[in-house]
Amino acid sequence: AQKITQTQPGMFVQEKEAVTLDCTYDTSDQSYGLFWYKQPSSGEMIFLIYQGSYDEQNATEGRYSLNFQKARKSANLVISASQLGDSAMYFCAMGSLGNQFYFGTGTSLTVIP
Amino acid sequence: EAGVTQFPSHSVIEKGQTVTLRCDPISGHDNLYWYRRVMGKEIKFLLHFVKESKQDESGMPNNRFLAERTGGTYSTLKVQPAELEDSGVYFCASSDRLDEQFFGPGTRLTVL
Repeated sequence: AQKITQTQPGMFVQEKEAVTLDCTYDTSDQSYGLFWYKQPSSGEMIFLIYQGSYDEQNATEGRYSLNFQKARKSANLVISASQLGDSAMYFCAMGSLGNQFYFGTGTSLTVIP
Repeated sequence: EAGVTQFPSHSVIEKGQTVTLRCDPISGHDNLYWYRRVMGKEIKFLLHFVKESKQDESGMPNNRFLAERTGGTYSTLKVQPAELEDSGVYFCASSDRLDEQFFGPGTRLTVL
């Protein structure tokens, strides 16, 4: 069965510091993608970063990087140099080849000035 | 290029009433997905259209929910009659590739 687990319901980080949001997954598929989305208080889901299961390099997008450890089935999101605008809910998701996405319960990140 | 749009952004209805949510995918995207997030829980899949056909509707909670995508363009999700437990945020997503989905802003449904 497909499952995404986010064990941190809430996280705090000082502005300009780095923060890691945890995500573990379970799947029997050989090919899959891992995604992180940001949901600010306005409600929209903003795509942040994608990692394919066969990608050997960890994905990076600006201040976002995905620490992909396939053997451990983890796909943690690292946000460097946190900004006040990073305060939001963050969802980890997994999808495979046109099928539905599976989401975690989310982590609420608060950046403290 | 316009993103996925959803209407309305908010809806407050009484138990027993009917509500219809609309999703306009990104132009040219054959794949359209509906998801729902009930307060405090994970976002859960409802169903998946490929063009006008239902590819997977395994996530639809019961027969009070009816989704359509006439002509393979926009989609509607009707809840009739609405119950208290239907409250949540309903997201629509579309894609033209098999490994990425673009999400709309969601419709926040409150059933009183």
